[in-house]
Amino acid sequence: GAGVSQSPRYKVAKRGQDVALRCDPISGHVSLFWYQQALGQGPEFLTYFQNEAQLDKSGLPSDRFFAERPEGSVSTLKIQRTQQEDSAVYLCASSLQGPHNEQFFGPGTRLTVL
Amino acid sequence: KQEVTQIPAALSVPEGENLVLNCSFTDSAIYNLQWFRQDPGKGLTSLLLIQSSQREQTSGRLNASLDKSSGRSTLYIAASQPGDSATYLCAVRPNSGGYQKVTFGTGTKLQVIP
Repeated sequence: GAGVSQSPRYKVAKRGQDVALRCDPISGHVSLFWYQQALGQGPEFLTYFQNEAQLDKSGLPSDRFFAERPEGSVSTLKIQRTQQEDSAVYLCASSLQGPHNEQFFGPGTRLTVL
Repeated sequence: KQEVTQIPAALSVPEGENLVLNCSFTDSAIYNLQWFRQDPGKGLTSLLLIQSSQREQTSGRLNASLDKSSGRSTLYIAASQPGDSATYLCAVRPNSGGYQKVTFGTGTKLQVIP
């Protein structure tokens, strides 16, 4: 596929469970971003990778959130001990070079924590 | 901290009408501003990107303007169609402190009635 893909599209977790969300960026894109979008709100920045390096994680809401991109391509956002307030759509975006380039978004993963 | 506001939050118009969506931001030190549309259950689709040095951008029936000094942008949609129904988001990228720290508005939900 030519676009950004994310899996799973929907995830239901019981409070306290760990979840892992996957993002496949556009092939060759250097930069990758994660956003959290609560219901009725705009996306909020979580973290940014340039290749395999996580250059900014200032938006991660707590130390239960962890992101990695070990080979500079696919990225995983992991949430440990999920809480109800973690329920949101998690969006991934990639850009060709640096963070100033146009970002292309995936369809998102809707996480519901019961 | 940058704050982005979009007015109105929701808008319903009959097909064929021209309309304007508004976006305001508090910090004029921006690198660029981007308009997106988001369809239910889907990611963001980029519509127009305006660099800070530009005043407007056009694509088909869409025209976006930027007045950086007053912290405002407008998205003009001509001859609206039912397919334009979606949530429209504006996003501001700062020119310092990290281009990755994009701030989104909360969106305007548009319904075009046939």
